[in-house]
Amino acid sequence: DTGVSQDPRHKITKRGQNVTFRCDPISEHNRLYWYRQTLGQGPEFLTYFQNEAQLEKSRLLSDRFSAERPKGSFSTLEIQRTEQGDSAMYLCASSLGQGTYEQYFGPGTRLTVT
Amino acid sequence: EDKVVQSPLSLVVHEGDTVTLNCSYEVTNFRSLLWYKQEKKAPTFLFMLTSSGIEKKSGRLSSILDKKELSSILNITATQTGDSAIYLCAVEGAQKLVFGQGTRLTINP
Repeated sequence: DTGVSQDPRHKITKRGQNVTFRCDPISEHNRLYWYRQTLGQGPEFLTYFQNEAQLEKSRLLSDRFSAERPKGSFSTLEIQRTEQGDSAMYLCASSLGQGTYEQYFGPGTRLTVT
Repeated sequence: EDKVVQSPLSLVVHEGDTVTLNCSYEVTNFRSLLWYKQEKKAPTFLFMLTSSGIEKKSGRLSSILDKKELSSILNITATQTGDSAIYLCAVEGAQKLVFGQGTRLTINP
């Protein structure tokens, strides 16, 4: 399978714990995006990378959230001191570039904070 | 602030019917409009519409972009139960996609 992959697919954690999610984009894609989706809503942009550079962060991304893409390949999204409001589906997408290139989504990581 | 609005939010039809889903947007530096289909998993790409490609068709699905009205429609003809899903419209403005809330389409046999 050469699509976008995410790990884990599901994560249940207790409030206050830290969690880390991984995304592996399609291999030739240099752009990688993170989105968050809650029930009944469309995905909301969190941040994106062009190769290893993080070019934009949404104001939704509080200081408890951090994302990295150290070698311009896979990316990690860490949430520190999780809160119940962080419960959501975290989606990763990748594209060849900006503008005329569509974004392809991974299966998502569903986070439940208890 | 960039905004994408879809209508209706929910639609129930019988198998074989034709449906039209709507998407309107207010986005600075418009680059493209995309339609995705989402079942119980991540969105899957359907179409991308740009200033140079305002009409797309694939099988029973087709989409048109109206740049003057800042809107798009997604048509599905001869619907099947497998078309039941949430259909998401997204617009690429300043470097990122802004999604609408989605239209939940249910096709009854």
